[in-house]
Formats: sequence, structure tokens, C-alpha cells
Amino acid sequence: GAVVSQHPSWVICKSGTSVKIECRSLDFQATTMFWYRQFPKQSLMLMATSNEGSKATYEQGVEKDKFLINHASLTLSTLTVTSAHPEDSSFYICSASQGDSYEQYFGPGTRLTVT
Amino acid sequence: ILNVEQSPQSLHVQEGDSTNFTCSFPSSNFYALHWYRWETAKSPEALFVMTLNGDEKKKGRISATLNTKEGYSYLYIKGSQPEDSATYLCAFLGGGFKTIFGAGTRLFVKA
Repeated sequence: GAVVSQHPSWVICKSGTSVKIECRSLDFQATTMFWYRQFPKQSLMLMATSNEGSKATYEQGVEKDKFLINHASLTLSTLTVTSAHPEDSSFYICSASQGDSYEQYFGPGTRLTVT
Repeated sequence: ILNVEQSPQSLHVQEGDSTNFTCSFPSSNFYALHWYRWETAKSPEALFVMTLNGDEKKKGRISATLNTKEGYSYLYIKGSQPEDSATYLCAFLGGGFKTIFGAGTRLFVKA
């Protein structure tokens, strides 16, 4: 149980284009979803927290107009990197939790490369 | 700024060796400490959630201890096997309910 999928697993895009990453909870209802990014040899850094049906809460320093998060249903959240630039190249990973539980279930992540 | 430190950054051991790594975290506003096992190209998998000072948890050959007063947790693996090769992450959950991750310890077990 508690499986989270993420799609795509890797993507290469050109500078200036937008990329959408999907995060799905397959066998539970995810009331809260989290988006993290990870640079090489660094820790997972929380970008934003989203609750179904409401606006995402972004961490300090994360541009909400650049990283658009939508959590339209209890099983799906999307992260869109708009007008991507090479410095946005990173590993993005989502997690989901249900109800009031603080346990997070992770997707396998997406490797984004912007050329 | 809240910091979670893990050491060592990486570790190479032989099959059968026992090993341990450390996670250091803030000793105030503690709520929970998570350990995850993360194999390449897979999702991080939860190993333990620890909440009480002095907690010891065990899952097969892997165990963990928690000291919230001094802000550290140890993860032990007894008789390492090649399939234990992975990155082990710890994550601190504080009073603000925001999870802060360490950078992980990368374990390589050679057969």
C-alpha cells in the first residue's frame, strides 16, 4: 500500500519551454502533497506544500510563478516548471501524506535537464 | 536555520560487516525523526518513525536509536549484505511540522 508514482522519470527540454511533472497517489487519498528538489550531493529541499483544492504554500526563495503547483484532486498534483532555464536542471521528487498523518510516501522522482 | 547533518557522507563495507551512521538534528521543538532507505531509481522507502527520547526500533538486521535531548539518532545495520547498498536518509520533523532532510549516507556493500 501507499504507492506514489511520478511521471516522467526523466525529461530533457530546451531553455524557455515549460515542463509538467505529475505526482499520483495510486492507492490512497493524498490530502497533502509535497514537492522537493535535490541538487547533487545535497539534501532534499522542500519547495512547496499543497493541499487538495487550495493554493500551494511555497518555501522562502521558491518562485511561485516559475514553479506552478496544482493539486486538483486527492490523487494528483502537478508541478509545472515554466520558462525553464539550465539552472532549473535538478532532481524533483514529490511525496504525499493522508489525513493528519505526518508520514510521507515518496514518488521515484524526475530528473529534469534543461539545455 | 535548522540543520540536519548526516555522517559519514559515504561508506564502503564488505559483506558481513556491521555498520552504523549518524544523524544530528536540532534538539529543540522535536516532533519526530524519520529514517528512509533510498535505492537508485526507486522511491525512498520509510524504515522508521521515531518520536520518543530513548526509542529503539528494529526491522530485521536494521535498527535505530534516538536521543532527542542531545539531537542525534544512529542507524545500525548488522551483517551488511549487497542488497543493503542504498542511500540512507534521515528527516527531522519539528514543531512547525516542516520536514528537513539530511543529505544522506551512501552505503556500498561489496560481496
